[in-house]
Amino acid sequence: DTGVSQDPRHKITKRGQNVTFRCDPISEHNRLYWYRQTLGQGPEFLTYFQNEAQLEKSRLLSDRFSAERPKGSFSTLEIQRTEQGDSAMYLCASSTGGANYGYTFGSGTRLTVV
Amino acid sequence: AQKVTQAQTEISVVEKEDVTLDCVYETRDTTYYLFWYKQPPSGELVFLIRRNSFDEQNEISGRYSWNFQKSTSSFNFTITASQVVDSAVYFCALSEAGNFGNEKLTFGTGTRLTIIP
Repeated sequence: DTGVSQDPRHKITKRGQNVTFRCDPISEHNRLYWYRQTLGQGPEFLTYFQNEAQLEKSRLLSDRFSAERPKGSFSTLEIQRTEQGDSAMYLCASSTGGANYGYTFGSGTRLTVV
Repeated sequence: AQKVTQAQTEISVVEKEDVTLDCVYETRDTTYYLFWYKQPPSGELVFLIRRNSFDEQNEISGRYSWNFQKSTSSFNFTITASQVVDSAVYFCALSEAGNFGNEKLTFGTGTRLTIIP
């Protein structure tokens, strides 16, 4: 168990470019979440996968955002036509679910749009 | 809708003092979970504790203790004999049993704790 891995740790991009982040969850965790954290705020829920199915999306997730989890393993979060307001820390978490579920966060990807 | 309020934005105490971080929550569910996470400057959220809504027993883990009071919808966190390594942002969070097993977390805005040597 190596924890939840996120790549890259930091990304600087020009406005209008597309970016993609990757999350590798803990292998036995079937639930995967993406959160966004802006400066001085707590993380906010973006989307949720159970295995490969994306079951819920926050209204924070505009049409420029898309997330996938092929084969129920790693997940990617893509942002198209980035805007300065997209600058934030993007956190991935995975969970086993159930009454005794564990919920583990990755170190995050810090996105800066210039 | 669920909500978590951490009214203390920043707290500074001198090393070895005790400090309590407040957390007040709102939910309509009878079954829910409460969490505390620590976020050091490195950015990773470190899990500290999870309590379910049916277990109001207070918990102690080393220098950390948690006071869960359903009557006041509060889940406060106390650090005894604080140390410089305790300096971080602390988040309280709430999870309800959502649709399709989505146990998403609703976070407070965090309390930045600074321990002065």
